[in-house]
Amino acid sequence: DGGITQSPKYLFRKEGQNVTLSCEQNLNHDAMYWYRQDPGQGLRLIYYSQIVNDFQKGDIAEGYSVSREKKESFPLTVTSAQKNPTAFYLCASLDRGGYSNQPQHFGDGTRLSIL
Amino acid sequence: GESVGLHLPTLSVQEGDNSIINCAYSNSASDYFIWYKQESGKGPQFIIDIRSNMDKRQGQRVTVLLNKTVKHLSLQIAATQPGDSAVYFCAENRSGAGSYQLTFGKGTKLSVIP
Repeated sequence: DGGITQSPKYLFRKEGQNVTLSCEQNLNHDAMYWYRQDPGQGLRLIYYSQIVNDFQKGDIAEGYSVSREKKESFPLTVTSAQKNPTAFYLCASLDRGGYSNQPQHFGDGTRLSIL
Repeated sequence: GESVGLHLPTLSVQEGDNSIINCAYSNSASDYFIWYKQESGKGPQFIIDIRSNMDKRQGQRVTVLLNKTVKHLSLQIAATQPGDSAVYFCAENRSGAGSYQLTFGKGTKLSVIP
């Protein structure tokens, strides 16, 4: 079954610690995205990648880093520089084939909390 | 409606009634719009989309209406069921045609009363 897998579902971070959230897709999509969702809020874009070995900052990239070494994988690292990391993190992918717009597809998220 | 702080606009409807969820978008150059449904603890799920060259699009029990003059989008759900209870988000593509980034609204919580 094709889809996007995010792991772990729940993650706890200690002060000063970096943590990495996993996102894997088997949809053969070129583009992948990371969003942050806070309670009662919409999704805010952290980073996105339109192709392997390339990525761009979104609206709230400070304190986060990403890599895109493989088409199917787009891990997000929440660094110690992110002072308010508690949130629900969502990964999405998009089929960029053709000119016609397509919807982004989402994983089921990772909830990150501070210990 | 307007969201205040952490509180989402909420729409409560009786099971079997029709629901209408509204969204105002910001970018007059946006040419693609999507409605997503998000259940508690899960990722957003695609419901229906519409391009700016259309005013209306229908799916199974859902209809999206687009009014470009006033930059307004609505989602109509027919014969609302308890399983429709969720938060609904609208999204628009940024910077018009060819953009692969979306801007999301804050969402509306739909509660279905059995």
